[in-house]
Amino acid sequence: SAVISQKPSRDICQRGTSLTIQCQVDSQVTMMFWYRQQPGQSLTLIATANQGSEATYESGFVIDKFPISRPNLTFSTLTVSNMSPEDSSIYLCSVGTMNTEAFFGQGTRLTVV
Amino acid sequence: QKEVEQNSGPLSVPEGAIASLNCTYSDRVSQSFFWYRQYSGKSPELIMSIYSNGDKEDGRFTAQLNKASQYVSLLIRDSQPSDSATYLCAVKTGRRALTFGSGTRLQVQP
Repeated sequence: SAVISQKPSRDICQRGTSLTIQCQVDSQVTMMFWYRQQPGQSLTLIATANQGSEATYESGFVIDKFPISRPNLTFSTLTVSNMSPEDSSIYLCSVGTMNTEAFFGQGTRLTVV
Repeated sequence: QKEVEQNSGPLSVPEGAIASLNCTYSDRVSQSFFWYRQYSGKSPELIMSIYSNGDKEDGRFTAQLNKASQYVSLLIRDSQPSDSATYLCAVKTGRRALTFGSGTRLQVQP
């Protein structure tokens, strides 16, 4: 399985600011995804990060709020923009292939105050 | 109807017992099924995958799949307190990313 490094592991941010989360994989992977896990909830897919093109967002998530970059097959970033307390969650990067399981980074615990 | 449904629990079992976790899914064309374990404050960890009907065993874990009934289960034999965690069922359909259930919290009592 791929080794996924995600940073920062946690952060406390002021409302109205933005935070960029980085995800680095130790091998080239086809698929990279960003999930959100709100307190006590399961994982919700934010978007699929596409290499060299715009991310594919799920219903309820928009590029202006969650811009995503994927400049190559081993790296992606997720920015949480203009944060509010409702954005306090764990954000998870995951990687996988077309037909198989997904592996997760250690997550970023975000608290917005 | 949720795409992947799990009983939220908590499911409480005594140490050494068999824990049975269940999951149903709504999309008949789903082809891959996974169980993840998530300890509090940690990211999900893959413990089992299953792709065809029947049982798949790996150590103390057995995954069961019944595509006709759209049902997936995970059995944990000889449950240990260290198995106490939230277990997430995940389903893959086509090219889409995994869809997760809400998770079942398992408590193994010493």
